[in-house]
Amino acid sequence: DVVLTQSPATLSVTPGERISLSCRASESVGTYLHWYQQKPNESPRLLIKFASQSISGIPSRFSASGSGTDFTLSINGVEFEDLSVYYCQQGDSLPHTFGAGTKLELK
Amino acid sequence: EVQLVESGGGLVQPGASLKVSCVASGSTFSDYWMSWVRQTPGKTMEWIGDIKYDGSYTKYAPSLKNRFTISRDNAKNTLYLQMTNVRSEDTATYYCCRLNIGTILDYWGQGVMVTVSS
Repeated sequence: DVVLTQSPATLSVTPGERISLSCRASESVGTYLHWYQQKPNESPRLLIKFASQSISGIPSRFSASGSGTDFTLSINGVEFEDLSVYYCQQGDSLPHTFGAGTKLELK
Repeated sequence: EVQLVESGGGLVQPGASLKVSCVASGSTFSDYWMSWVRQTPGKTMEWIGDIKYDGSYTKYAPSLKNRFTISRDNAKNTLYLQMTNVRSEDTATYYCCRLNIGTILDYWGQGVMVTVSS
């Protein structure tokens, strides 16, 4: 199984700062890597698809990059509403796997 | 807007069976593969399996394929997850998801909680 390692596990942030979250795969997943945001007490929602492609309705401050085994999700100017858990998921091979998540909390 | 609404969760005893459902609206249900994903109380996300748009093919996580069965009724816009011989480690929130090209889970239901306990 492809193991996705997300870091850090928790990130303390100040509104307005630019941050980056990491997702590393144990083997190449090409660009079959997607990002999800889960706000407290809500279902996950798709944030970024195929490593870097934006999703309609998602604020432009969210961006992502990477391919192969190293991926990054960036938020340019964190807002209070972004305090959530972020998961990466690979769809390159079965079983589809998720990372353990990175939790953004207020500093 | 696509909506997925799960139902059928609750408290179930170890070794019992349970079937949860998901009703879809807002898009043509029979055009899409569908998936089940679960999230443990510790927030770990686990893919359960997928079903083809016409129900003719399914894929499962190896650790679950002998106990879990995914099916669908396109006439009722409904997706099902049959769980048998449930264990305490099956305690989780179960999400129904629409599966799009490239294994993107582009829409998620609100989730249904299943608690396995005596």
